[in-house]
Amino acid sequence: EAGVAQSPRYKIIEKRQSVAFWCNPISGHATLYWYQQILGQGPKLLIQFQNNGVVDDSQLPKDRFSAERLKGVDSTLKIQPAKLEDSAVYLCASSSFGQGGETQYFGPGTRLLVL
Amino acid sequence: DQQVKQNSPSLSVQEGRISILNCDYTNSMFDYFLWYKKYPAEGPTFLISISSIKDKNEDGRFTVFLNKSAKHLSLHIVPSQPGDSAVYFCAASYTGRRALTFGSGTRLQVQP
Repeated sequence: EAGVAQSPRYKIIEKRQSVAFWCNPISGHATLYWYQQILGQGPKLLIQFQNNGVVDDSQLPKDRFSAERLKGVDSTLKIQPAKLEDSAVYLCASSSFGQGGETQYFGPGTRLLVL
Repeated sequence: DQQVKQNSPSLSVQEGRISILNCDYTNSMFDYFLWYKKYPAEGPTFLISISSIKDKNEDGRFTVFLNKSAKHLSLHIVPSQPGDSAVYFCAASYTGRRALTFGSGTRLQVQP
């Protein structure tokens, strides 16, 4: 079974530029998450999708971040304009529900550096 | 407010010995707990999980213990191997909010 795919793996941009990240979840996984991981910290949720609907975007900085999941499969996360503090790893995860709870499976992440 | 805490940033053990990684949480609503392992430049890899209705779950060399009254869980790795060297994250979720809340991670170094 193929895992969660993400691209690009690395991106370097100047502040105030825009950037977009792409995620393809594990086949059949209805729930998709985007997390931000700043160096030295654990991942923090940005947005959660169930199929193509948003479940939780309470921690998404909506003035600059946007995300969509068209057709309930692939998803894109966009930052416009980027700030220095957006330098982080952006992780996409999809989930399946098993015994006792839900397990999330992560992609390799996109490492963003904003100069 | 850090709801999931891993107070030890790093841990070093000898190959073949036991590694014990600890995690504390403050939100009593959490009912599902997971451990992830992360190598550099890779995403977190799921390791093992436990539901709040259990106090122990085993999978090969990995065992997770949950003490609900103390709001504490631990991951035991026996025997430890050099390939176990990685950053380990504790995470939690609850019915109604399945997004994960992560700790800050513990870097495990297993010395040959």
